[in-house]
Amino acid sequence: EDQVTQSPEALRLQEGESSSLNCSYTVSGLRGLFWYRQDPGKGPEFLFTLYSAGEEKEKERLKATLTKKESFLHITAPKPEDSATYLCAVQNTGNQFYFGTGTSLTVIP
Amino acid sequence: DTEVTQTPKHLVMGMTNKKSLKCEQHMGHRAMYWYKQKAKKPPELMFVYSYEKLSINESVPSRFSPECPNSSLLNLHLHALQPEDSALYLCASSQGQVPYEQYFGPGTRLTVT
Repeated sequence: EDQVTQSPEALRLQEGESSSLNCSYTVSGLRGLFWYRQDPGKGPEFLFTLYSAGEEKEKERLKATLTKKESFLHITAPKPEDSATYLCAVQNTGNQFYFGTGTSLTVIP
Repeated sequence: DTEVTQTPKHLVMGMTNKKSLKCEQHMGHRAMYWYKQKAKKPPELMFVYSYEKLSINESVPSRFSPECPNSSLLNLHLHALQPEDSALYLCASSQGQVPYEQYFGPGTRLTVT
């Protein structure tokens, strides 16, 4: 059964303290892995798409990487405005989407 | 412009009411999606329309009825809902289905009394 697991569930960082969020996946055939950011009461905001192992993408303080079993979202020198829930999702070859349960990130000034 | 709009923002309805949620995008996307999201849970896919045809229905109860009048609009008709259907309903769109990133609307907060 296709599955997406994110860890940790919650993460508190001091401003400037770099860290990584993990997304482990089991999927019959990977079409794409997506990272989203979601603020409370709002729709998810697209961040990155990764298609194959070894791929990396960067945007400001965020960098996403992909292996055959997991993806990492690295946050470098985070700021309080980076506080949000970060969601990982995979699309399989049957075009079904599966979201992970998310990591709630809090960055303390 | 990567905007997906949803109306209404909030909706309170009784279990015997009939209401509709609306979603619109003007990005020329050909796939549109409905998701349901409960508090502190990830979005759950309900329906996918590809080129205005229903391509995925994730075993959603018949009290939810989707409609795609044209490539820019997506509706979700609601009838005889239960209190447990209260949630944030999200609409999303993408260029196609495979494998394009989805752009989400702000959601409709639905409360069933």
